[in-house]
Amino acid sequence: SQQGEEDPQALSIQEGENATMNCSYKTSINNLQWYRQNSGRGLVHLILIRSNEREKHSGRLRVTLDTSKKSSSLLITASRAADTASYFCATDARDNFNKFYFGSGTKLNVKP
Amino acid sequence: DAGVIQSPRHEVTEMGQEVTLRCKPISGHNSLFWYRQTMMRGLELLIYFNNNVPIDDSGMPEDRFSAKMPNASFSTLKIQPSEPRDSAVYFCASRPLQGRTEAFFGQGTRLTVV
Repeated sequence: SQQGEEDPQALSIQEGENATMNCSYKTSINNLQWYRQNSGRGLVHLILIRSNEREKHSGRLRVTLDTSKKSSSLLITASRAADTASYFCATDARDNFNKFYFGSGTKLNVKP
Repeated sequence: DAGVIQSPRHEVTEMGQEVTLRCKPISGHNSLFWYRQTMMRGLELLIYFNNNVPIDDSGMPEDRFSAKMPNASFSTLKIQPSEPRDSAVYFCASRPLQGRTEAFFGQGTRLTVV
């Protein structure tokens, strides 16, 4: 991808389990964001973490950021069938030009 | 606000025809992005505008692709002539330039070139 890679590419878990997705990126960033995409729909913003933050929580979501390794992870706790979707990380490059790249995405399937 | 509005939602066209995709960003958002999504290549940033000015079009695959933003409330992505490999879902997104916050996506245009 233009920005980097996410792994795993696909993840299948049982309802109630935790899901962890990882994102690696290439450039220096201002912030990193996670988005969700339901099949056939546009992307929806989930959470934003700035480059000077290491961890952030929002409901059942926990995001970590390691700028030294250029990597981030998204943890969804106590997953539900409704969490089934593709998840993408997006990097906001540390420059004045507002470039905004997405990773390759992780397809999550939560089985009821 | 109705969100980012893209039209058409679906487009089927024959190879060689001109295709124009349209986007209306959220009012007040002065950054606009065009992405293309395929299974093989994921989400590719094609071009983006700040304050109606194209900043980086390095993601535009070929000269057949062009984009304009004549004013703050409207942008087009044109493919001329279209080819079957252009088949994809094209997304438009907008956000405020200040603050580097979340981007809001339209529902996308699913383009099929036969």
